[in-house]
Amino acid sequence: GQQVMQIPQYQHVQEGEDFTTYCNSSTTLSNIQWYKQRPGGHPVFLIQLVKSGEVKKQKRLTFQFGEAKKNSSLHITATQTTDVGTYFCAGGTGTASKLTFGTGTRLQVTL
Amino acid sequence: DTAVSQTPKYLVTQMGNDKSIKCEQNLGHDTMYWYKQDSKKFLKIMFSYNNKELIINETVPNRFSPKSPDKAHLNLHINSLELGDSAVYFCASSQGRTAGTGELFFGEGSRLTVL
Repeated sequence: GQQVMQIPQYQHVQEGEDFTTYCNSSTTLSNIQWYKQRPGGHPVFLIQLVKSGEVKKQKRLTFQFGEAKKNSSLHITATQTTDVGTYFCAGGTGTASKLTFGTGTRLQVTL
Repeated sequence: DTAVSQTPKYLVTQMGNDKSIKCEQNLGHDTMYWYKQDSKKFLKIMFSYNNKELIINETVPNRFSPKSPDKAHLNLHINSLELGDSAVYFCASSQGRTAGTGELFFGEGSRLTVL
């Protein structure tokens, strides 16, 4: 079945440093979504990418969808303590009518 | 007003018992889901209903039975609970039938602990 892996599993950064998480799918995706889950919270939707090579920005967050639509990345510039949480990508395959969540990257930010 | 609400938030029970978790959404969405998040934080889809019709049924033991009385509600009943069922169960909803194309709205989760 479809697998979606993320690396790294965990990253600890100092506030102000940049952070990137990478998402790789075993199959070609129709779209990719990103979610953030704060400790003890529930996943919250951040963004969706649909087109090959698409890049979208939300303030300090930059999302990219690979040309082959099998990988994606989320880059955070100048992290803040409010960025703490686990970031999940989730790939859609259209006909399967479901999202497969990645393994997640837990981000810890300290002062 | 909470968009997707689940009850109860916490469940502690003995092995072999039966328990239910309820979910309601007031977003007018057509599709609802149950996801299981284990201790390693992996999020796996269990079931999906579109307007009361089951559309996704992943490899889940028969002890798990979803029920959707109407499109705003999706409940999960679990029989003969086992230790491995301990997890956080998230209900979610989205607009449209195709899960992969719409934003998922998650409930706050129900933490189930089986002793």
